[in-house]
Amino acid sequence: AQKVTQAQTEISVVEKEDVTLDCVYETRDTTYYLFWYKQPPSGELVFLIRRNSFDEQNEISGRYSWNFQKSTSSFNFTITASQVVDSAVYFCALSEPFDFNKFYFGSGTKLNVKP
Amino acid sequence: NAGVTQTPKFRVLKTGQSMTLLCAQDMNHEYMYWYRQDPGMGLRLIHYSVGEGTTAKGEVPDGYNVSRLKKQNFLLGLESAAPSQTSVYFCASSPRTAYYGYTFGSGTRLTVV
Repeated sequence: AQKVTQAQTEISVVEKEDVTLDCVYETRDTTYYLFWYKQPPSGELVFLIRRNSFDEQNEISGRYSWNFQKSTSSFNFTITASQVVDSAVYFCALSEPFDFNKFYFGSGTKLNVKP
Repeated sequence: NAGVTQTPKFRVLKTGQSMTLLCAQDMNHEYMYWYRQDPGMGLRLIHYSVGEGTTAKGEVPDGYNVSRLKKQNFLLGLESAAPSQTSVYFCASSPRTAYYGYTFGSGTRLTVV
């Protein structure tokens, strides 16, 4: 079974629309970390956010916000007023510290923002 | 700040040929990793290293070997390339634990024909 599921393979929106990228994870650990990475067309993976399993507060950073809900094992990512530069593949990832700190990546969601 | 540097960026191999991908980091990170990225499958861990002189298998290690003779370098070798190894390869490093996240290289696009 996948540890991280990103059910949305590809999403297309028009600029200025809000968009939410879903991430559902599976773990038996009580301590774990969740991450989001962005992979723009240039190919390099860019770190966006890290969330500790003990911190369920939502976080906002400019147009980006993250909704962490342990009850549903979800860590969703919302972009408000999307821009063309947001077009990229976004990966959600889980790290279980017990397991040598390896990451488990979801399959990614490709976001297309059209002008 | 170089961060994580991967060489080469692109390579085409014939089936059966061998090659080595080089990853170098200048951040004094303890942990280093090799991932492969395939369409619809996200990134899958090939091998990793938790320190100089140590290596371990990840999720998809078959057909690959690695070495970490120096702390700053992590080499990924393909002894006999197969078309199934056509992929984009990413190297990453982290200080100690995953809490700090990874720093990724820019990737190597490998095609095996």
